Parts: sequence; C-alpha cells; structure tokens
Amino acid sequence: AQSVTQLGSHVSVSEGALVLLRCNYSSSVPPYLFWYVQYPNQGLQLLLKYTTGATLVKGINGFEAEFKKSETSFHLTKPSAHMSDAAEYFCAVTPGDSGGYQKVTFGTGTKLQVIP
Amino acid sequence: EAEVAQSPRYKITEKSQAVAFWCDPISGHATLYWYRQILGQGPELLVQFQDESVVDDSQLPKDRFSAERLKGVDSTLKIQPAELGDSAMYLCASSHRGHSMNTEAFFGQGTRLTVV
Repeated sequence: AQSVTQLGSHVSVSEGALVLLRCNYSSSVPPYLFWYVQYPNQGLQLLLKYTTGATLVKGINGFEAEFKKSETSFHLTKPSAHMSDAAEYFCAVTPGDSGGYQKVTFGTGTKLQVIP
Repeated sequence: EAEVAQSPRYKITEKSQAVAFWCDPISGHATLYWYRQILGQGPELLVQFQDESVVDDSQLPKDRFSAERLKGVDSTLKIQPAELGDSAMYLCASSHRGHSMNTEAFFGQGTRLTVV
C-alpha cells in the first residue's frame, strides 16, 4: 500500500520569497515520486520526478525537490516565487521499478498563492 | 507538440441522463488512464488500460460507469445514469508502454462535468 500526505492545503508566499510545499509518503517498497502542477481548469503537468540516483532533482520553472528516505519526504522548493507560480501542486507516489503494472497515488494538493 | 485530446471540455447534464467523454492519447502511448478529480481533491484513478486491456478498474463504479478502448488507441468513458455526486473534472492521461509511471504521464485538459 502507498499513500501521500501534503501538509497545508493552502500556502501563501510573497513574490520573491522562498516556496516550500511539503509532501510525505508511505510506501512498502522504494518509491518513485512526482510533483505535478495544475492551473485552473487545466490538466496536470509534470514538474519533476525522482526514480533512482541523485536525491536532489531539478524540474521545470526553477523548482526542485529532495528525496529524503529517512524522513519519507519529498518537499518541493523554489528559491524565489513568481506570480506565475500561483497554481495547485500535487505530490504523487508509485511503487518503484518492480516490474509490471504500477498504480499512482496522488495527494490532495496544495494551492499556492503568490502575493505581489 | 503532441497532446492528449479530450472532449468535450465542459458538460452539463441532468441527473439520470447518460454522458460520455472521449480521449485521444498521444500517438504510440500504450497506457491510458482515466482519473476523476473532485473539487479540492487530488486525482483518483478510475481505470487504466494497457493497449486495449483493462489493468485496473478497482475504483470504477461499475454499476454506472463503463470505459472502453476497443482498438487500443482512443477511449470513451460513459456514465449512465449520472448522479449529482458525479460532478467533477474527468482527466485522461497517457504514457509509453512499460512501467505505468516510470515514464512521464501526459494529461489532457480534462472534461468538467456538472450534473444538475
């Protein structure tokens, strides 16, 4: 079984401030982890993903996330928020490379508000 | 740039009526997913296809929902009869053959269903 917990359904930051969106996961096997962004009335777009290897992964739009196995976390950060970052962000987990079918579980999402 | 196409973008229907959504995945993508996203929540997998075969429909309310992907390309999701609680965004996604989410899943823009 696997699950994802996103702490904080709403996060507000000032433009230019650090963005930190929290994600903790539970997985019985080594996981693959993802962050997606969703703009209003749009589908989801992949920001970044961790599968194996380097635990600090960089994604699009200046975002990055660090896989911390000891903390079962995969928090999303961006050094300086931009107005265009205002959106909803979803963390997702799937069992790692165990072959065959893999189910993805999404968190409940965090809405990011950027204040001018 | 290749995209996942969904239609319609918006649908309003009366309860007890039938409604259908269509999805055309990115060419060559063997895996197709239908997700339901209720307002304020993360996407929930309804059904996943590998080519024309269903690999997971454990969360699909089979008394009223059906999905098909007859030739392993485009897919249709049907609800009959629609209920008020079915109001949600219905997202289609696709990814390459093989591990279901090891490679990126590409999402369509979704169909927003309102049942009145």
